Amino acid sequence: DAKTTQPPSMDCAEGRAANLPCNHSTISGNEYVYWYRQIHSQGPQYIIHGLKNNETNEMASLIITEDRKSSTLILPHATLRDTAVYYCIVRGYSNTGKLIFGQGTTLQVKP
Amino acid sequence: DTGVSQNPRHKITKRGQNVTFRCDPISEHNRLYWYRQTLGQGPEFLTYFQNEAQLEKSRLLSDRFSAERPKGSFSTLEIQRTEQGDSAMYLCASSLEEGTYEQYFGPGTRLTVT
Repeated sequence: DAKTTQPPSMDCAEGRAANLPCNHSTISGNEYVYWYRQIHSQGPQYIIHGLKNNETNEMASLIITEDRKSSTLILPHATLRDTAVYYCIVRGYSNTGKLIFGQGTTLQVKP
Repeated sequence: DTGVSQNPRHKITKRGQNVTFRCDPISEHNRLYWYRQTLGQGPEFLTYFQNEAQLEKSRLLSDRFSAERPKGSFSTLEIQRTEQGDSAMYLCASSLEEGTYEQYFGPGTRLTVT
């Protein structure tokens, strides 16, 4: 599975959009981009995933560049409850399904 | 609540003792994963089951660790002769075999070895 690079930390004002970037320059054609988050002292929570098209669900939007070498997770209206560590993970569909977590981005939403 | 549950939530033990953790996955999920997370790090994969078969083990899983999933339902993770380096959060996750492969995580068991 391709490696990902994320900034270690970001701040966002409550009510504003939070844009979390992720680089995955070695991603291959059959690998998906997944985002999970982990709120303090809880297990990770699935947010969204995509292959090459932009995706949106009730939690977030995922924007993947045309060359698929980077992506951005967008939380449209961040709340204090969105303060968490956000992990970007690249994974193929054909493997065991195990997730390889990096260090993630710690998002601090401030009032 | 039909999510993934783990017991106990916290365990304090003395070095050299054996401990066992339990994970109850979402009932229709046939894949079950164990991860370990130390302070400030992302979770690390330990092992996974498809139904009752243990199909992959990480090199992180030393001989002192054993996991089972009898009858493809709940799973147990046992650590024998615990060491201080085993102190961590142990996370369990489950997923469907097919489909989007998203994993649902339990709240974890925090182990402290004194």
